[in-house]
Amino acid sequence: DGGITQSPKYLFRKEGQNVTLSCEQNLNHDAMYWYRQDPGQGLRLIYYSQIVNDFQKGDIAEGYSVSREKKESFPLTVTSAQKNPTAFYLCASSIRTDTQYFGPGTRLTVL
Amino acid sequence: KQEVTQIPAALSVPEGENLVLNCSFTDSAIYNLQWFRQDPGKGLTSLLLIQSSQREQTSGRLNASLDKSSGRSTLYIAASQPGDSATYLCAVRPRAGGTSYGKLTFGQGTILTVHP
Repeated sequence: DGGITQSPKYLFRKEGQNVTLSCEQNLNHDAMYWYRQDPGQGLRLIYYSQIVNDFQKGDIAEGYSVSREKKESFPLTVTSAQKNPTAFYLCASSIRTDTQYFGPGTRLTVL
Repeated sequence: KQEVTQIPAALSVPEGENLVLNCSFTDSAIYNLQWFRQDPGKGLTSLLLIQSSQREQTSGRLNASLDKSSGRSTLYIAASQPGDSATYLCAVRPRAGGTSYGKLTFGQGTILTVHP
């Protein structure tokens, strides 16, 4: 059963903590993406990766970090430097510039 | 910097109506434009993708058009149903060759409610 999975579905973070959001795909896609969505707004790109061991900053990369050690995995770490991390986080993957397929999302809340 | 705007922000219609959602973008140097659907608390589902060389794409009751020179796209939904209720987002990909080639820029979405 092919697709993109994100975990956890809900995540709570205390002030000053780093948390890592998981994104896995078994679609054999080269490119993977992380977006942030705030209420009433569209998606904003955090980071993207077009091949293994390579990634680029998106429009709002400050306070976030990523790694791409395996083709199927693209975890996102929300660091304590991100001042307003409460949001809905979406991961996507694609074959080069083809249609992006999205995971179900992780809702992160800062306590 | 590319900016994408969607109008209206919200739309409520009775079942059976034909409707049009609008998307405009400021930089016409695009590679393609995509329409997505998002149900509350869920990820995005791709509906239609239009390449920059195309004028329209159709899938079932959905038809998307693209006028690249004027920076506009419309999503036409025929014979709307309550199951069409969702947020609809458009996104543009910049033209190939630039450093931002892999990036999509999204509009803020149109929240559609179709009531029985």
